[in-house]
This record gives sequence, C-alpha cells and structure tokens, in this order.
Amino acid sequence: DTEVTQTPKHLVMGMTNKKSLKCEQHMGHRAMYWYKQKAKKPPELMFVYSYEKLSINESVPSRFSPECPNSSLLNLHLHALQPEDSALYLCASAKSGEETQYFGPGTRLLVL
Amino acid sequence: AQRVTQPEKLLSVFKGAPVELKCNYSYSGSPELFWYVQYSRQRLQLLLRHISRESIKGFTADLNKGETSFHLKKPFAQEEDSAMYYCALFSGGYNKLIFGAGTRLAVHP
Repeated sequence: DTEVTQTPKHLVMGMTNKKSLKCEQHMGHRAMYWYKQKAKKPPELMFVYSYEKLSINESVPSRFSPECPNSSLLNLHLHALQPEDSALYLCASAKSGEETQYFGPGTRLLVL
Repeated sequence: AQRVTQPEKLLSVFKGAPVELKCNYSYSGSPELFWYVQYSRQRLQLLLRHISRESIKGFTADLNKGETSFHLKKPFAQEEDSAMYYCALFSGGYNKLIFGAGTRLAVHP
C-alpha cells in the first residue's frame, strides 16, 4: 500500500459539533502531518508528529486537537469550529522529516 | 528569513510552447527543494525533487545556488500539464516544508 488515505472525503458540521478526521498510511513512514488548505492557496502546516510524538504545533487553536494512536494512524479531532475553519484538510506522511512528503486526498470541511 | 517565492500567480501558454515556472528561495543552509503539482480534484503529489535529478513528465528543474533559484521547465507544454504547481523548501531548522504561493499553469489548445 503506497498511498495515504483520509476519511471522510467531505464533512459538514455545525459550530457546536464534535467530529474527527482520520488519516492512515502503511508505508512505514514515521513522520505525519496535518495541513489546512484554503482555495487557491498553498497548504499551511498545522501539526507534525515524529515517531508518534507531537513535534510541531504551528500555534493552532485548541479547537483542533491532533492524536497519533500508532505509527500508521493520525486523527484530527474538531470541536466548536468556526465558519472560517472551512477548508481542505490534508494529511501527509514521510519516511522522516527531510524526505518527500506524500499527501492524502484531503477532507473537505464545511462549518455552518 | 526562510522563504519561497513564486512570482507568477498564473502562467498561460499554448500547447507545444515552452514553459518555465519560476521559483526563488531564501535559505542559509544547503537547500532541499521540491516541486509539487496539484491537478484538478487530485491530491497534491511530488513532481520533482532536486537531489533526484530526474525528469518527470518531461519537466526538469535545476538548482542554481548563485541565483537561489529552482525554476521548473518543460520544452513543449501539453494540455494535461494544466494544474497548480508549488515550489517547496525543506527547512531543517524548523523541520518543515515551506511552500511558495503557487503558480497556476493553463495550457490552451
């Protein structure tokens, strides 16, 4: 398996909902990433996990909570989001930090 | 400051014309540079990495340390090359990829 998978593909949630995004890879990669991408903009890094430990948090609001249960899985828990959080959320993985990052297809999130 | 600059938001060419997408970087160390491409409704994917020196889909990119550039070139554009192209720099100090703003390439028949 040489792909990063993400579920769900689309998500619509209200500002009081709690939801989670899921990312999975079976390439043995030890670095995993969450990015946020707005339309026609480059991806913005949110979080980096290295060997299942959070190594970078780019000052992301606490309504986004990442979790890395094991080396293949990465979750992003969402709570009390705002409409401006609507975006494409991308997961990526890499063998290690400086290696090529492989991106998932993303979850398109709409917050109403 | 570590930065990647892609000066063109949109590059519009006709099929068969040469293409050059510009990328300049600012980095104090030895740069690790990438070109990623995002076709419509597809995932962001690696096109080129400078250390691999490969030619993918006819595209090449040469690192010019003197001009701090990593321009992407293709001698004859195809309609299927139409996509968003991002130049990215790996920052060892910050342990993350720094993306340029991206250039949309539109290849017309």
